[in-house]
Amino acid sequence: EAGVTQFPSHSVIEKGQTVTLRCDPISGHDNLYWYRRVMGKEIKFLLHFVKESKQDESGMPNNRFLAERTGGTYSTLKVQPAELEDSGVYFCASSHGLSYEQYFGPGTRLTVT
Amino acid sequence: QKEVEQNSGPLSVPEGAIASLNCTYSDRVSQSFFWYRQYSGKSPELIMSIYSNGDKEDGRFTAQLNKASQYVSLLIRDSQPSDSATYLCAVKLSGGQNFVFGPGTRLSVLP
Repeated sequence: EAGVTQFPSHSVIEKGQTVTLRCDPISGHDNLYWYRRVMGKEIKFLLHFVKESKQDESGMPNNRFLAERTGGTYSTLKVQPAELEDSGVYFCASSHGLSYEQYFGPGTRLTVT
Repeated sequence: QKEVEQNSGPLSVPEGAIASLNCTYSDRVSQSFFWYRQYSGKSPELIMSIYSNGDKEDGRFTAQLNKASQYVSLLIRDSQPSDSATYLCAVKLSGGQNFVFGPGTRLSVLP
């Protein structure tokens, strides 16, 4: 069974540019989560999808971040326009049904210069 | 007070010893607790989940939960150099499904 995959693995962009991160969850997992780890800090929750619906987006830092999960399969997280403080590692995780066990992808390291 | 706290380490133990990792949490009604292992530059890997008070064993790993004292621990028996990694404690808060992570404890197993 393939795990959670994320693309790209690393992105370097300039302040003000737009970046789109992609996550493909484990097949059959209805729950999809985005987390972020900025330098020296804990992994922080961003939002949670159940299928295509946003269940909880309380962790989204501001309206420069837009997450979508059209069709309830893969998800994208767009940052527009990117700021320096957005640099960090963005993780995606998925879980099956009502299981609380979340499986993480390899992350996308975003560097905003 | 942070929601989930861990000693950042590094915790150094000799090969073959027992490594003990601790985590405390502030949400008294939390019910679900997880330990992840993360190698440098890699994704967090789920190694244990625990939901009830007491011990849960899986191979060389034992998770211990004490809800009254609001702490959860992870014991690694017969530690191996390959166990050297950062261990993350994650707590599912009541009322949602997202996790709150601790800062992680860096474990170093010395050959």
